[in-house]
Amino acid sequence: DGGITQSPKYLFRKEGQNVTLSCEQNLNHDAMYWYRQDPGQGLRLIYYSQIVNDFQKGDIAEGYSVSREKKESFPLTVTSAQKNPTAFYLCASSTGGDNEQFFGPGTRLTVL
Amino acid sequence: DAKTTQPNSMESNEEEPVHLPCNHSTISGTDYIHWYRQLPSQGPEYVIHGLTSNVNNRMASLAIAEDRKSSTLILHRATLRDAAVYYCILRDWVRYGGSQGNLIFGKGTKLSVKP
Repeated sequence: DGGITQSPKYLFRKEGQNVTLSCEQNLNHDAMYWYRQDPGQGLRLIYYSQIVNDFQKGDIAEGYSVSREKKESFPLTVTSAQKNPTAFYLCASSTGGDNEQFFGPGTRLTVL
Repeated sequence: DAKTTQPNSMESNEEEPVHLPCNHSTISGTDYIHWYRQLPSQGPEYVIHGLTSNVNNRMASLAIAEDRKSSTLILHRATLRDAAVYYCILRDWVRYGGSQGNLIFGKGTKLSVKP
């Protein structure tokens, strides 16, 4: 089955710790995206990548970092510099252009 | 930036049609209108998109005004499974330097479906 997976589903971390969220897709999509969603709000773009070894900042990139070493993987690191990291994180992929984005099930990060 | 305005919430009865409105008065000529929906605690899923002409697919229909300043997502027969937040989205070419495929999500419309 083709799809996009995120792990873990729930993640807890202590303040001051870095944490990496996984995103994998087997859809052979070139473009991948990371969004953040806060309660009752829409999604906000953190980072996106149109092709392997290239990525661009979205609206709220501060305190986050990404890598795109493989086409199927786009991990997101939430660093200690992110002041309010508790949120629902969603990864998406697409063939690029104006084509639909396919979203993963999300990772709910809670900072204790 | 092109942005959209949607009602915060709407209610519908099961098996009745639902018309979800969206205003986008600052839409540019090359912006596509996208609709996604999000069920509770899940990632959004694509519903439909269009540019100028009305569009139909197995999930819904999209009616676009002639001046493109508004559009309506039509669910022909609402089911309980259609209860979700519906997002009307315009692609923003300018903000991302022409990079394609970036979607700007607002708060959307929360649709409730009553049995």
